[in-house]
Amino acid sequence: KQEVTQIPAALSVPEGENLVLNCSFTDSAIYNLQWFRQDPGKGLTSLLLIQSSQREQTSGRLNASLDKSSGRSTLYIAASQPGDSATYLCAVIYNTDKLIFGTGTRLQVFP
Amino acid sequence: DGGITQSPKYLFRKEGQNVTLSCEQNLNHDAMYWYRQDPGQGLRLIYYSQIVNDFQKGDIAEGYSVSREKKESFPLTVTSAQKNPTAFYLCASSIDFGQGGQPQHFGDGTRLSIL
Repeated sequence: KQEVTQIPAALSVPEGENLVLNCSFTDSAIYNLQWFRQDPGKGLTSLLLIQSSQREQTSGRLNASLDKSSGRSTLYIAASQPGDSATYLCAVIYNTDKLIFGTGTRLQVFP
Repeated sequence: DGGITQSPKYLFRKEGQNVTLSCEQNLNHDAMYWYRQDPGQGLRLIYYSQIVNDFQKGDIAEGYSVSREKKESFPLTVTSAQKNPTAFYLCASSIDFGQGGQPQHFGDGTRLSIL
């Protein structure tokens, strides 16, 4: 069964810390992996998409890496800010072209 | 601005009633999707549509129905057969389906509750 797991489920840190959010998937034959941000009561905002042939993608203070062989991706957030507080979701696509989501990491960054 | 509009933001359903959630996109995307989100669980796919006049069941289609008569619209009906409809419903779209490399864009969701 294709499953996606995110650890930790929740994280609370002081402003300025560098963070690592983890995502693991059971079937390594992915097409791509996408990281999303979700604010309370809102939809999802796409942050980064990594193709299966890529090792990492960067956007501003965010960097996502992908290790297909070990079934892992990490989202690195540099110099965290209170505005980064949200739930971060990881999702993978296999050959069915349907996203399979993890349960998310709820992040709180306090001043 | 291009995007996905879901309405209403909040919806209440009475026992035995069918309700319809609206999803409209002006991104000119071919593919559209409906997901359900429950607390502590990841998003689960209800239905998806690759192109106008076509749609396919997702992982939890029972108790739901959809139509795709226009490219920009993909309404979801929650029927009385869905015994546990209380959830947050999210609509998404992507440029096309079957390429494996196109990101999905999401609306702001509709929260459905039972009266």
